[in-house]
Amino acid sequence: QLQLQESGPGLVKPSETLSLTCTVSGGSISSSSYYWGWIRQPPGKGLEWIGSIYYSGSTYYNPSLKSRVTISVDTSKNQFSLKLSSVTAADTAVYYCASGPPRFMIVGNIDYWGQGTLVTVSS
Amino acid sequence: EIVLTQSPGTLSLSPGERATLSCRASQSVSSSYLAWYQQKPGQAPRLLIYGASSRATGIPDRFSGSGSGTDFTLTISRLEPEDFAVYYCQQYGSSRVTFGGGTKVEIK
Repeated sequence: QLQLQESGPGLVKPSETLSLTCTVSGGSISSSSYYWGWIRQPPGKGLEWIGSIYYSGSTYYNPSLKSRVTISVDTSKNQFSLKLSSVTAADTAVYYCASGPPRFMIVGNIDYWGQGTLVTVSS
Repeated sequence: EIVLTQSPGTLSLSPGERATLSCRASQSVSSSYLAWYQQKPGQAPRLLIYGASSRATGIPDRFSGSGSGTDFTLTISRLEPEDFAVYYCQQYGSSRVTFGGGTKVEIK
């Protein structure tokens, strides 16, 4: 049973880079059985897929965010990370790290979710 | 991009009643790669259904999913008090994963 836990600053200034880390326990981030992803949810709104990464290093990013997003894996720490550059108030959201079996390329249903972390973009 | 439209936006029902939630896709969802999630306030979503009709581990059998192509349905056969929540559908049949806007099931 995987467990995921997000960590990172809760407040980021406009134009700066949002950086979050997800620590994985109960399984290896090098496993071919899972993809590792990030999803966000603005307050009171719906869910938005940000992107995902596979153990091979392959990544997929939401085209609407692609120019600003980087997802990477640190196998030595069993963690994966999200960086979102040039943030604005529109990037204020609860950010979830997530995982599941890769059903289509490196995406799929989300079996495991972190608890979520609210990131506010404000000066 | 596959746009998922969920209806109704809000469903007002009483415990014990049957709930039928719809998720319509703007184009066919490959291999029925469609999932349903339940989200309660302050919590992360929870996977209910994947592959359009397969229940996730530990999900009660009052939850069922059906459909294919562009039309999918989540049915809750008899609403329990803990089922009042927001429900989202998700398609993962293309590399551009998308979610529906959600249906809120509220107590009447």
